[in-house]
Amino acid sequence: QSVLTQPPSVSAAPGQKVTISCSGSSSNIGNNFVSWYQQLPGTAPKLLIYDDNKRPSEIPDRFSGSKSGTSATLGITGLQTGDEADYYCGTWDSSLSAVVFGGGTKLTVL
Amino acid sequence: QLQLQESGPGLVKPSETLSLTCTVSGGSISRSDFYWGWIRQPPGKGLEWIGYTSYSGNTYYNPSLKSRVSISVDTSKNQFSLKLSSVTAADTAMYYCARRFYDSSGYYSPFDYWGQGTLVTVSS
Repeated sequence: QSVLTQPPSVSAAPGQKVTISCSGSSSNIGNNFVSWYQQLPGTAPKLLIYDDNKRPSEIPDRFSGSKSGTSATLGITGLQTGDEADYYCGTWDSSLSAVVFGGGTKLTVL
Repeated sequence: QLQLQESGPGLVKPSETLSLTCTVSGGSISRSDFYWGWIRQPPGKGLEWIGYTSYSGNTYYNPSLKSRVSISVDTSKNQFSLKLSSVTAADTAMYYCARRFYDSSGYYSPFDYWGQGTLVTVSS
């Protein structure tokens, strides 16, 4: 049971937009920055979004992050088959004094 | 370009100690604003943070693993290491090493550089 809750899977057609939610509490998302990671099949996680909504320079602007209260959202527009991956949210939990991750969401581009 | 590479035994017996090393290249491990950590992922499951340390020895561990974990830095080899004692089958996972940074305002970055991971199986 993960501290952060994500849907197990989402799907959309190529070219479409998809959002992935990450739900937490005031001890984690509500008071700490959220990051998102993309894990392509058989590879290590890659930082996609940090500080709720910032992108590393190499990440295309098709990827975006937002946060409201104790929930965060990853958005991906112009879906490509190469976006098929597992996506994880992560943050610090001040009550647990631990880095916590969501359970991951598998994105399928139909 | 910073690169991290995990190494260590792929098979560990139950009750023994799992030992892994992460070699850092393309940058120095001896910077006060860097933290060096470990994250694991059981087969088919999600990510679990294990802990991280600075080169000076400030360590932070996942409370659920704290009694069994030790992370240390060897600045002479530009490496850091993970030791996990009394392992069971539940410790079977892909183990990743990663870096995060810290600034004087108290800001901690997420893990921005990751190794490719090494699979450790606990079995007799």
